[in-house]
Amino acid sequence: DTAVSQTPKYLVTQMGNDKSIKCEQNLGHDTMYWYKQDSKKFLKIMFSYNNKELIINETVPNRFSPKSPDKAHLNLHINSLELGDSAVYFCASSQGRAESFGPGTRLTVL
Amino acid sequence: RKEVEQDPGPFNVPEGATVAFNCTYSNSASQSFFWYRQDCRKEPKLLMSVYSSGNEDGRFTAQLNRASQYISLLIRDSKLSDSATYLCVVIGYSGGGADGLTFGKGTHLIIQP
Repeated sequence: DTAVSQTPKYLVTQMGNDKSIKCEQNLGHDTMYWYKQDSKKFLKIMFSYNNKELIINETVPNRFSPKSPDKAHLNLHINSLELGDSAVYFCASSQGRAESFGPGTRLTVL
Repeated sequence: RKEVEQDPGPFNVPEGATVAFNCTYSNSASQSFFWYRQDCRKEPKLLMSVYSSGNEDGRFTAQLNRASQYISLLIRDSKLSDSATYLCVVIGYSGGGADGLTFGKGTHLIIQP
């Protein structure tokens, strides 16, 4: 019944590795998003994806790339992980306005 | 100036009291406004939308002041379970598409027994 789901919930990895976080929504929403919440709890949008249109927050390094195999999925790939990438990553989806969030993936880079 | 600003608190409030906090936004073209609630180590959840005429949902009242570019949230008869971080959220529209949600840093509310 989970509306927006993410896997894994926790991810611990070494600096320099490449990792992916998966997101799926069963709400039939047209738009999906990735947000990053840092240690200061500030939530910031990274990407929005709507009907194959990708809008990127210009501050996001190109090591981060979203990939959408279909409308219900938006996965996040991160290459060459850095210490500063440690954060909680939230996937979200919406149909116009307010968004529903996934439970978050806590990424720790050692 | 930050896009969406909130007093981070914490606000320590006795159970049963009324508490209110504001949020200011810088983009006068902003179209939609929301309050989200985030519990510790959990995802943000929509608390309520904020409409121009003001709106109420049980013990919660939201107001929008476009002239002064702020929104407010009032909680009456506060419960222990209201303890959380309250996030002010603004959607601005530019060109042909939405900008996604812009979050404030949140106001931390602690209801004390």
